[in-house]
Amino acid sequence: DAGITQSPRHKVTETGTPVTLRCHQTENHRYMYWYRQDPGHGLRLIHYSYGVKDTDKGEVSDGYSVSRSKTEDFLLTLESATSSQTSVYFCAISEGQGAGYGYTFGSGTRLTVV
Amino acid sequence: GNSVTQMEGPVTLSEEAFLTINCTYTATGYPSLFWYVQYPGEGLQLLLKATKADDKGSNKGFEATYRKETTSFHLEKGSVQVSDSAVYFCALSDLYNQGGKLIFGQGTELSVKP
Repeated sequence: DAGITQSPRHKVTETGTPVTLRCHQTENHRYMYWYRQDPGHGLRLIHYSYGVKDTDKGEVSDGYSVSRSKTEDFLLTLESATSSQTSVYFCAISEGQGAGYGYTFGSGTRLTVV
Repeated sequence: GNSVTQMEGPVTLSEEAFLTINCTYTATGYPSLFWYVQYPGEGLQLLLKATKADDKGSNKGFEATYRKETTSFHLEKGSVQVSDSAVYFCALSDLYNQGGKLIFGQGTELSVKP
């Protein structure tokens, strides 16, 4: 989607190294989310943000940290990558929560930890 | 907590066949319900949504009705095309529980053969 971009699109990294994924939006939406997608699990929420410097944990936050210093950017960091973090990572944005607000998703980052 | 359960895939149909993908949910509040579609190599796109009981969401020939009595939101299409081959995700958002964040089912892969 033109309003949200993720970088890089693909990355291979070694176990134990730090990795940062970037999500950039041009929609000025308040809410931003990081999900991971794994076979048999659908999408699981890692962390989310409800404003600049306001973030909170999702259901699978262990081993991940996030930062949001500007409205448009939401960074996901794997502090010390492990093979269990091999996954496809999706960023999403929304104007609000509940009451029928849907999300707009980025195209994903495929991360392989070897 | 809230959850979403979808029928397992993959579902394989011939072109012009009728499609049903079952989705049931568990929620303590009054959630909004969504169907998202993911085409190969892409992020998720909102397909349709319903925000209250008995609402019908529709888009691109797909329909789903919010059934509170059976806690279901089954996706249907009368005549599928090869281009409908994708992974379909059912999701809910409950503002009064879990802050309105989207909770996804595990996804159902649909393959349509010519």
